[in-house]
Amino acid sequence: DSGVTQTPKHLITATGQRVTLRCSPRSGDLSVYWYQQSLDQGLQFLIQYYNGEERAKGNILERFSAQQFPDLHSELNLSSLELGDSALYFCASSVTSGGLQETQYFGPGTRLLVL
Amino acid sequence: AQTVTQSQPEMSVQEAETVTLSCTYDTSESDYYLFWYKQPPSRQMILVIRQEAYKQQNATENRFSVNFQKAAKSFSLKISDSQLGDAAMYFCAYRTGANSKLTFGKGITLSVRP
Repeated sequence: DSGVTQTPKHLITATGQRVTLRCSPRSGDLSVYWYQQSLDQGLQFLIQYYNGEERAKGNILERFSAQQFPDLHSELNLSSLELGDSALYFCASSVTSGGLQETQYFGPGTRLLVL
Repeated sequence: AQTVTQSQPEMSVQEAETVTLSCTYDTSESDYYLFWYKQPPSRQMILVIRQEAYKQQNATENRFSVNFQKAAKSFSLKISDSQLGDAAMYFCAYRTGANSKLTFGKGITLSVRP
């Protein structure tokens, strides 16, 4: 158990819908990262937040957004869902942002299926 | 752009034997870090080992060790005394010193024969 929690574990929804994935980082970690794992794209970095502020952006679609709250939990919002958004979405956390000591620990993931 | 290449999609090893998983990367950075993550059937991503580019000594974690060849931009993972629980997908990953984003290879599926 990495100490990173994600809810829900599974999500089944229809095209055009909107969903919210939630992540609670390990105690003491200030950075939260979101990754998407799909069969065709592999594991891709989406976005990072550090202590409430967006720190880095990757291949995140405009239909997707995220935020980190004062208690450091994070939510990833996916809207106007398409079949191709079906994937495993991971949250990871680390103490810092970059630097020598930063190691990312992953949550169990949320499996999203868009029908 | 940094890339991570895992050219072997699958490998198989006999229980108790040793196996080496290959990874190459491309970067122009001098400060970076390399990782191996394990993804068992549960799909959890588990950190196996990390290597700082500035360290010449290869990292070791129990039965897991790396062969880091900086000039060749090669970062292979050696698993000794393979166990059935080692069966999983293994991902090589890279990040720069300043940037936290992890760049992953496509992964390699390791099976362990009893």
